This record gives sequence, C-alpha cells and structure tokens, in this order.
Amino acid sequence: NAGVTQTPKFQVLKTGQSMTLQCAQDMNHNSMYWYRQDPGMGLRLIYYSASEGTTDKGEVPNGYNVSRLNKREFSLRLESAAPSQTSVYFCASTEGGSSFYEQYFGPGTRLTVT
Amino acid sequence: DAKTTQPNSMESNEEEPVHLPCNHSTISGTDYIHWYRQLPSQGPEYVIHGLTSNVNNRMASLAIAEDRKSSTLILHRATLRDAAVYYCIQFSGTYKYIFGTGTRLKVLA
Repeated sequence: NAGVTQTPKFQVLKTGQSMTLQCAQDMNHNSMYWYRQDPGMGLRLIYYSASEGTTDKGEVPNGYNVSRLNKREFSLRLESAAPSQTSVYFCASTEGGSSFYEQYFGPGTRLTVT
Repeated sequence: DAKTTQPNSMESNEEEPVHLPCNHSTISGTDYIHWYRQLPSQGPEYVIHGLTSNVNNRMASLAIAEDRKSSTLILHRATLRDAAVYYCIQFSGTYKYIFGTGTRLKVLA
C-alpha cells in the first residue's frame, strides 16, 4: 500500500497563477483533509471532506477550493496564488471523523509563490 | 477554543527515557488524545492515542491524567531517529484536529 500520495512534491508559482494539488489514498478511507504548515508552526486545517461528495471549511479556507473527486482522491486548488500561500501543504485521510481514528499523512507539497 | 500546551523543546540522551508533557484542559469527555510526530521534511506520523487509561504500543506509551487535562508521551529508550517535533492533538468537534506548535525533541548521542 502506498498510503497517502501527493503531487507535485515542489512547485513555484508567480502571483496570480493557479494550480491544483493532487492527493490520493489507497486505504479505503472515508474522510480526507488538507492542511498547510508555515515555517515553525503546527498544521492548520484548510478544508476537509467527511465522505465522498461532501466538503467543508476548516480553519483557513480563504483563497482555496477543493474537490472530492471520488473516494480515493481529494484535490486542492489555488485560483489566484498569493505570496501568503507560500507553505507546505499536507493531505491526510482517516476512516471517519471521530477522534477514535488516527490520521495518515502524505509527504507534502512545498509551494513557493513569488 | 480547543488548544494544547507543550514545551517548545526538550533534550534527551540516547538510550534514556523521554517524557513529553501536554496540557489539554479544554478536552471534551469523549475525545481521544492523539500524539503525532514529524521528522524533518516529512509529513506527520501517528504515534499513539488514548481515551482514559494508559496505552502502550511498539513506538511509545501514553499516560493520561485521571482528570484528562494532561497527558505524557513516553519514549522508553530514545534513539537518534526519534529526533522530531512531537504534537499533542486536541479535537474541535468532529473532523477538526487542532495542532499546536509541538515540542522539538533533540536526542544527544
């Protein structure tokens, strides 16, 4: 099992450009998450998807959109990138939303916006 | 707001036990306490979680205070590979894992 995979690993964008970060999991998990991590900080939740076909805002959703394409895939889109979105982005998945379940994380996408 | 409090950094000698504390005074009565660690340039990795009683697994032990307002992650014999940032996680409703800034553990050879 690959677990949670993310593409790309690195990306440099100019201000105003758009891009989509891809995430896939092969554990048949119901719930998926997108986080961002700024230098020296913990992770902050951007969006989550409780189950296929649903998405909800997390702590810092502004400037982002998400799509839960199917049970395996959850993508994060930046429509018009800003320097403040320079960060490392992590995708995660769990079996469900209860605190009983542990999260599995991908390796991250390091994004720089100039 | 849900929030955990951890020391910014700790040091340990290799092969010695490490006790990493966390305060989570606003935790609800039904939420599990989770610990994750993040090695340099990697995503967070699950370590252990528990509800009320102490928990053990191959990586660590988790000691939970009787009032559940604090917990301690115990690494029984620290190795150089255990050098990481350790996060104690609190939940803010369903699906919302709240990460603090964590404890950076330095292991000395």
